[in-house]
Amino acid sequence: GIQVEQSPPDLILQEGANSTLRCNFSDSVNNLQWFHQNPWGQLINLFYIPSGTKQNGRLSATTVATERYSLLYISSSQTTDSGVYFCAVSSNTGKLIFGQGTTLQVKP
Amino acid sequence: EAQVTQNPRYLITVTGKKLTVTCSQNMNHEYMSWYRQDPGLGLRQIYYSMNVEVTDKGDVPEGYKVSRKEKRNFPLILESPSPNQTSLYFCASSSTTAVNEKLFFGSGTQLSVL
Repeated sequence: GIQVEQSPPDLILQEGANSTLRCNFSDSVNNLQWFHQNPWGQLINLFYIPSGTKQNGRLSATTVATERYSLLYISSSQTTDSGVYFCAVSSNTGKLIFGQGTTLQVKP
Repeated sequence: EAQVTQNPRYLITVTGKKLTVTCSQNMNHEYMSWYRQDPGLGLRQIYYSMNVEVTDKGDVPEGYKVSRKEKRNFPLILESPSPNQTSLYFCASSSTTAVNEKLFFGSGTQLSVL
């Protein structure tokens, strides 16, 4: 099955800093999504982005499907950005494979 | 309000006592799925359903059952729970059978099996 690797596993930032999270996947996919799990455990969909670039406020994401990776950019980070960021992929089936996540801590 | 609703939020039970975790969505979504989240293992898919009366195994289906008798509901059944099923469970749904739309999650159910 498809393997998903996220890096870095942990990240500590000062408020206002920028960061890049990476998601590598081992096979072709037609579905790639980024999620944020806040400290209370709630999972929120950030982007559906199987290819190309999308932006939503301070967050943006780019997926290069031919090279099998996706990047999530967080600019001007805030303490509310803290939590775990997951990417998840699927290849034309109902199975969705999650990466291990990147734990982000933003310090005031 | 569009949402995925799971109940209960917390559940403590004993080994072997059958339980059901309910999941309901009000967005008319065709696709629904269940995940468990364990420390160090991330989220793993248990079962998914592409539409009514259609269910398939995910990566960790052993010890679980599901049913999809109607579009809005997708309950997770543990016939004989064991301590290794202690976990945080999430239900999710999305709008198309091809799973090519955003996935929406419920608030989670923290299950402890003693």
